[in-house]
Amino acid sequence: GENVEQHPSTLSVQEGDSAVIKCTYSDSASNYFPWYKQELGKRPQLIIDIRSNVGEKKDQRIAVTLNKTAKHFSLHITETQPEDSAVYFCAVSSNTGKLIFGQGTTLQVKP
Amino acid sequence: KAGVTQTPRYLIKTRGQQVTLSCSPISGHRSVSWYQQTPGQGLQFLFEYFSETQRNKGNFPGRFSGRQFSNSRSEMNVSTLELGDSALYLCASSLTGQGFSYEQYFGPGTRLTVT
Repeated sequence: GENVEQHPSTLSVQEGDSAVIKCTYSDSASNYFPWYKQELGKRPQLIIDIRSNVGEKKDQRIAVTLNKTAKHFSLHITETQPEDSAVYFCAVSSNTGKLIFGQGTTLQVKP
Repeated sequence: KAGVTQTPRYLIKTRGQQVTLSCSPISGHRSVSWYQQTPGQGLQFLFEYFSETQRNKGNFPGRFSGRQFSNSRSEMNVSTLELGDSALYLCASSLTGQGFSYEQYFGPGTRLTVT
């Protein structure tokens, strides 16, 4: 069945360093890959997404790369700031309203 | 535009009772998806409604059901509550259509505690 593996489960970086979170999926029909940020007690917020016809997408300090052959995609955050501290979730979808989520990564940015 | 809203925000029920949660999507969005979030299982898909029809369903027992009204507002119902149903229930709305995945925007969630 559909499965998404997300690593690492926790990540601690110094302010200003880069952070990378990777997700691997099993369904080759997956064609939509969003990333969500969830701060404590808040709703998940869509921060960036990519579709299968694109290999990379960037939005200021955030970028996502997709390798369809290997079935994995990654979130890259550069110049991390304390306000980037949160839980990050990757997800996949295939032409439906059903998102399959990874297990989440708790990112801690130390000042 | 106003965001996705959910009511109530917090709910305490006892085992065996039933509960109904409500979700109002962003104006113009016709798809509503429901998710259950727990520390152990993460975010799990419950079901999706589009034009008052259930279009997708996750792997949850029949005690979990939902519906959508003509104004796209959606409700989900859980009958015969169990302790393990304690969770944050999130709904998400999207424009959606056939054969394309649109961005989903989440509501603040309803925190359900079953005692």
